[in-house]
Formats: sequence, C-alpha cells, structure tokens
Amino acid sequence: DSGVTQTPKHLITATGQRVTLRCSPRSGDLSVYWYQQSLDQGLQFLIQYYNGEERAKGNILERFSAQQFPDLHSELNLSSLELGDSALYFCASSVAGEPYGYTFGSGTRLTVV
Amino acid sequence: DQQVKQNSPSLSVQEGRISILNCDYTNSMFDYFLWYKKYPAEGPTFLISISSIKDKNEDGRFTVFLNKSAKHLSLHIVPSQPGDSAVYFCAASVASFGNEKLTFGTGTRLTIIP
Repeated sequence: DSGVTQTPKHLITATGQRVTLRCSPRSGDLSVYWYQQSLDQGLQFLIQYYNGEERAKGNILERFSAQQFPDLHSELNLSSLELGDSALYFCASSVAGEPYGYTFGSGTRLTVV
Repeated sequence: DQQVKQNSPSLSVQEGRISILNCDYTNSMFDYFLWYKKYPAEGPTFLISISSIKDKNEDGRFTVFLNKSAKHLSLHIVPSQPGDSAVYFCAASVASFGNEKLTFGTGTRLTIIP
C-alpha cells in the first residue's frame, strides 16, 4: 500500500457519459498530480494541485476538470466521454517543493464502450 | 513533442546478467532525473534518481548514469533477478519550487529470463 488511494479501481461507462475519479493523497502530502496512461503510451501529465489550488496544467482536455478539496483529496471529472478516453488514470502525491518523485496510487482503469 | 524518450519498448536479459535501460531527453532545462518501476495492476514506484550535478548514483543493484552533454541517462541493474521483470519509466523534471511536474518516457518492458 503506497498510501495514495484511488477509487474506483475499474470503471466501465458508455460514450457521452460523465465520470468522477477520486484520489486521497498520502498523509502530509499537499500536492496531487493526475496522469493518463493510454495503451502503449507513457504517463501523460494532466494537472497538478497544491493545497487546493491549481499549480500546473498539462495536456488536459477541456472536457476534463479536476479539483482538490480542503481535506486534500482530489477528484478528476471526465465528461462527454469518447472511446479514446479509455486509459489508466493515475493519481500521485508528493511533499511540496521537492521534485524528488511522487508516490503513485494503483490507478483507475477507465473503459469507455 | 516527446521530451523524454525511451527508444526500446522491450528488453530481455538472462538472470544474473546486467540489464541496461536507456533514456534520452531533449529539454536542456531538465536537472533532475528519476526511474520508476511498474508491475501490472499497480502504480509506478520510485526506484532511483540523479541530480544533474552528478553523473552517477548507485543504490544496491541499481546504478543510474547521466551524460549531460549527450542528454542521455541509463539504468544498470546488476545482477538481474526475475523480480526485476517490469516496465521501467524514465522521468525528468526541472527542480524549482512549485514545478514538480515529471515528464515521463513511454517505458521499457524488461523481462528477466530464468
């Protein structure tokens, strides 16, 4: 157990639908990151939150949004889902200010049918 | 634009031999590099890292080498063990406060043959 909790582990939904992925960071970590891993692709950075505020944005589609709540858990919202959104979505957390690597959760596998 | 590249999608190595995984980067601003290991159905786990002020960092069986002039780093695993079979991701960052974003390569699947 890495200390980063992601729910659900698996999600199957239809095109056009909306889903919410949830992440609880390690205790004491203020930064949360979301990454997407599509088939045979590396980990693509989506977005970072630090202590409730958006800190950095990557290749995140306009149909996707995220937020970090006062208790530091984060949610990634994916709407108007397309087949190409099927992927593994990872959340990671870290101590702020140190680029010394993250701790990842085990991911949510999203399948859009 | 793939700023971090792992050109070998897969690698097979005999148990007990050395495994060498390679990574190239294009962004000269990167100054911190990491290797992550990923087993199926799990998230990536941190393995080893190196700062740009060094050219080598060692941790047990794992050594990372950095060649800044060539914008190249490599991970050496000696001796390779069956439990090392996994996907290895190279990652890089710019070490500044508030910008801890890691840029990952596409990964190399390492298979250790018993």
